[in-house]
Order: sequence, then C-alpha cells, then structure tokens
Amino acid sequence: KAGVTQTPRYLIKTRGQQVTLSCSPISGHRSVSWYQQTPGQGLQFLFEYFSETQRNKGNFPGRFSGRQFSNSRSEMNVSTLELGDSALYLCASSLGTVRDEQYFGPGTRLTVT
Amino acid sequence: QKEVEQDPGPLSVPEGAIVSLNCTYSNSAFQYFMWYRQYSRKGPELLMYTYSSGNKEDGRFTAQVDKSSKYISLFIRDSQPSDSATYLCAMRTTGGFKTIFGAGTRLFVKA
Repeated sequence: KAGVTQTPRYLIKTRGQQVTLSCSPISGHRSVSWYQQTPGQGLQFLFEYFSETQRNKGNFPGRFSGRQFSNSRSEMNVSTLELGDSALYLCASSLGTVRDEQYFGPGTRLTVT
Repeated sequence: QKEVEQDPGPLSVPEGAIVSLNCTYSNSAFQYFMWYRQYSRKGPELLMYTYSSGNKEDGRFTAQVDKSSKYISLFIRDSQPSDSATYLCAMRTTGGFKTIFGAGTRLFVKA
C-alpha cells in the first residue's frame, strides 16, 4: 500500500506571496492532519479534515487554511507569506477515529525569502 | 508550561547500549500515546502506539505508560547506529483529533 505523498517536496517563495501544498493520504484513510515543524517550535498542529470537514484547528492565524476533497486528498494554503513561515509542512493520514494510528508523509520544505 | 515536556538532548550512547527516552505531560485527559522516529529531512515514522498504562514491546523497542505519574518512556535495547535519529513522543485525548508532540530527543548511537 502506498504511503502518504506530499507535493511539492521543496518550495522557495518570496514574502507576500501565497503557496498551496498538496497531500494524498494512504488509500482508505479519510482523515488528513497538517503540521508545521520548525527548529524552535517543534511540531505544531495546524488543522485536521475528515470527509471534507474541518474537525479541529490549531492556534495559527487565518492566513493558514486548508480543504479536503471528496477523494480525501487535501491541500493547505498560506497567504501573504512571512519569513517565519519557513518550515517543514507535514501531513498525516489516518482512518479517522481518535484511536487510529496516524502516518506521516515526507513533508514539504518551504523557504520564504 | 507546555502540555508535553521532552528533553531535546542530544543523547549520545555507544552501540549496544540500552536507551531510555522519556516524556512527561500535564493533561490527564491524554489517553493515546505514540512514539515517532524522525530521520533528518524525513517525515516522522510511527514506532509505538499505546492507549493504556503498562508496557508494550515490539522487537528491540518497549513503550511504557504510567498515567498516574503522567510519564511515558521508550526503551531501545541493543541500540544500533541506524537508531540515530530524533524521537518524538506524542499524545491525544479521547475527545479530539489534535495530536500534541514533544520537542523531540536527538539520539546519537556511536559505532
């Protein structure tokens, strides 16, 4: 079974631009969660989607948004990029209940200049 | 105070040593506990998953949960240089879908 895939793997953007990252979950998984990982803050939860609905949201500004499609694929968008948005963005998928194990993709490394 | 505390290390041990990694937490509502291993420039890989107090063993890895002390541990027996990575503890409550991670402990196993 294929794992979680994320595209693109690397991205360089300029301050003020916007960016869209994509995540394809493991086949059969309906939940997708997004995380930001930085050396200073570690892994921080952004939001979680299940059946195209956002079920939970972390403490990030509204510039960070996401959505999920009917095939469970998910995208996250960051608008008006800031230097501090440079990070590894990870998505993880699971079957969807709170007891289910969560599996991560390789991440998208975003650099904002 | 963070909900999950984990010593970032680094922790350096000789090959073959027993490694002990630990996390403490403050939220008694956490019921599901995980350990992930993350190699440099890769995504975290799920190692162990438990949802009760006690021990769970898988090969060279043993996860231990003590809910009364709000303390979880991961033991690695016969450590190998390939175990060199960052180990992240993570936990979740029964009521939400947000997983809280520790800062991660950087482990070096020297040949």
